[in-house]
Amino acid sequence: SQQGEEDPQALSIQEGENATMNCSYKTSINNLQWYRQNSGRGLVHLILIRSNEREKHSGRLRVTLDTSKKSSSLLITASRAADTASYFCATMTKGGSEKLVFGKGTKLTVNP
Amino acid sequence: GAGVSQSPRYKVAKRGQDVALRCDPISGHVSLFWYQQALGQGPEFLTYFQNEAQLDKSGLPSDRFFAERPEGSVSTLKIQRTQQEDSAVYLCASSLTGRGETQYFGPGTRLLVL
Repeated sequence: SQQGEEDPQALSIQEGENATMNCSYKTSINNLQWYRQNSGRGLVHLILIRSNEREKHSGRLRVTLDTSKKSSSLLITASRAADTASYFCATMTKGGSEKLVFGKGTKLTVNP
Repeated sequence: GAGVSQSPRYKVAKRGQDVALRCDPISGHVSLFWYQQALGQGPEFLTYFQNEAQLDKSGLPSDRFFAERPEGSVSTLKIQRTQQEDSAVYLCASSLTGRGETQYFGPGTRLLVL
């Protein structure tokens, strides 16, 4: 069973535009992680944000976390064609096992 | 340094065959995880080890699935009597201590059961 729900399921933008993807989850969490997956490849870790953090940045990526709404967003600024991939949020439940619970992902297409 | 590696990368099995999938975690990583990813879906947790101890196997879909990590390093996921619904990508991940840390994923093994 998958806890997270990413929104939108698919997003198509032009190079240079910003892309925002949202993630909602159901339980209290220890942390939330965002991953990228290119077609047919493994998952690449982007950012980990802990439950006591509200915002984190890494290069062109900005992640926010609102634990009161049980939601997170991933913003990619100045997108590039190479950003085309599926993006997943994954949560680690507070007090639970170390397993990650993934959403179904957002498929991002950046058109050159 | 070397990341997580998995072998084989692709496996085709006839229904009813047994398969064994191997994962080499990042050197020194204590925790190791297996996930199953169906086409178009996010990964789903199967099982988790801390060193050689299997701490959580709640995601294994049936008793045909078995995982081991006898020396606390390399892990093998075994699927007995494969069924068509076992077709998926099997992902392995490792983390340094497993205590709420980043999990680093391997490239996966794509299993097709005919």
